[in-house]
Amino acid sequence: QSALTQPASVSGSPGQSITISCTGTSSDVGGYNYVSWYQQHPGKAPKLMIYEVSNRPSGVSNRFSGSKSGNTASLTISGLQAEDEADYYCSSYTSSSTSVVFGGGTKLTVL
Amino acid sequence: EVQLVESGGGLVQPGRSLRLSCAASGFTFDDYAMHWVRQAPGKGLEWVSGISWNSGSIGYADSVKGRFTISRDNAKNSLYLQMNSLRAEDTALYYCAKDDTYNWNDGGFDYWGQGTLVTVSS
Repeated sequence: QSALTQPASVSGSPGQSITISCTGTSSDVGGYNYVSWYQQHPGKAPKLMIYEVSNRPSGVSNRFSGSKSGNTASLTISGLQAEDEADYYCSSYTSSSTSVVFGGGTKLTVL
Repeated sequence: EVQLVESGGGLVQPGRSLRLSCAASGFTFDDYAMHWVRQAPGKGLEWVSGISWNSGSIGYADSVKGRFTISRDNAKNSLYLQMNSLRAEDTALYYCAKDDTYNWNDGGFDYWGQGTLVTVSS
């Protein structure tokens, strides 16, 4: 199964907002509200930031928000902070292979 | 506190087998689906397999279908991954992850272990 498409890198200055896109197809992102986003710092396990497109788990800052339009999901981080610098991955259920697929990951750099 | 502790990784020759285990604690294990996710050195995340709360529904990535088998023992609060016919491309850190629902195909992975490293090499 093909990975979801994410930009390899994005960057922003402290206090700014950035958006990371995650593009799939009607068999995954566009067809189901089962998109999740994960943050991974170097050498650490991933952390769930958003589930079911736009829901935030308890304890995750409200600076993180998720949305979806058609076959593209997005993660927006507002009020960028230095600790937001990490790799971000999206995932979705896909009916094309009855499995879960991840995006290739996006490295966020806080300038 | 939710804890997921993986074990069973190591160095194995191509074509051989390995069985990973994940010991879960801090939550009602049989209420939730569970997953295995791997990450090759320096690479991104790859979902490997998921299993529903009662083992009634299971999914696999195409890359491991027919070679890997996921299972769980709710009485022991444990998740397993039997890996057969291992290949060099299976070399990765294998994470055990808890789903936030009872089905494997509709939730997010809300807790992760620290991973166990599998190296396939002659």
